[in-house]
Amino acid sequence: GGIITQTPKFLIGQEGQKLTLKCQQNFNHDTMYWYRQDSGKGLRLIYYSITENDLQKGDLSEGYDASREKKSSFSLTVTSAQKNEMAVFLCASSRTGVQDTQYFGPGTRLLVL
Amino acid sequence: AQSVTQPDARVTVSEGASLQLRCKYSYFGTPYLFWYVQYPRQGLQLLLKYYPGDPVVQGVNGFEAEFSKSNSSFHLRKASVHWSDWAVYFCAVSMNMGYKLTFGTGTSLLVDP
Repeated sequence: GGIITQTPKFLIGQEGQKLTLKCQQNFNHDTMYWYRQDSGKGLRLIYYSITENDLQKGDLSEGYDASREKKSSFSLTVTSAQKNEMAVFLCASSRTGVQDTQYFGPGTRLLVL
Repeated sequence: AQSVTQPDARVTVSEGASLQLRCKYSYFGTPYLFWYVQYPRQGLQLLLKYYPGDPVVQGVNGFEAEFSKSNSSFHLRKASVHWSDWAVYFCAVSMNMGYKLTFGTGTSLLVDP
């Protein structure tokens, strides 16, 4: 077994601020993902990484940067927080592609004032 | 482009009753289909997955789903719902077994005691 840890659990930011979310996994998985979850909109893929130092854009990458400096960690940066933005950011990992189960972290809840 | 529609945002069933959650996909090819569940304040967990083959797929906790190519559907079923099934259920599709999953908007299941 393994676990995915996301920090922080809650993040309150100001408009225009750069905010960084972190994700760690101890599954030794190659692939990691960042999703954004908005109420009523399901999950949308922001970035994914198939190996250390690899980055692939998802459907919602504009306004975000990502970094995969180690196999076990994957960071996401909101480059300029939007006023009244409220969403949950979910990190996931899988051994390889979608044929392998994706394991999700508990999420980071973002609120921008 | 692949897409998934979950037409019911919320479903309420009585404990012990049967359940069907609907999922329709749009993809001109062989889809790979998934159901995930999100319990309150937790990350998503895989319930079951469909690869081309037997159209009825068994999952965890008594859930099953049936793939129908003629109806472009992958509905989730359970014979007898338990209060612990109270959660949000997401259908997802992948094309070509790459790295990207496309999620539906989710169905919230409420269980009446």
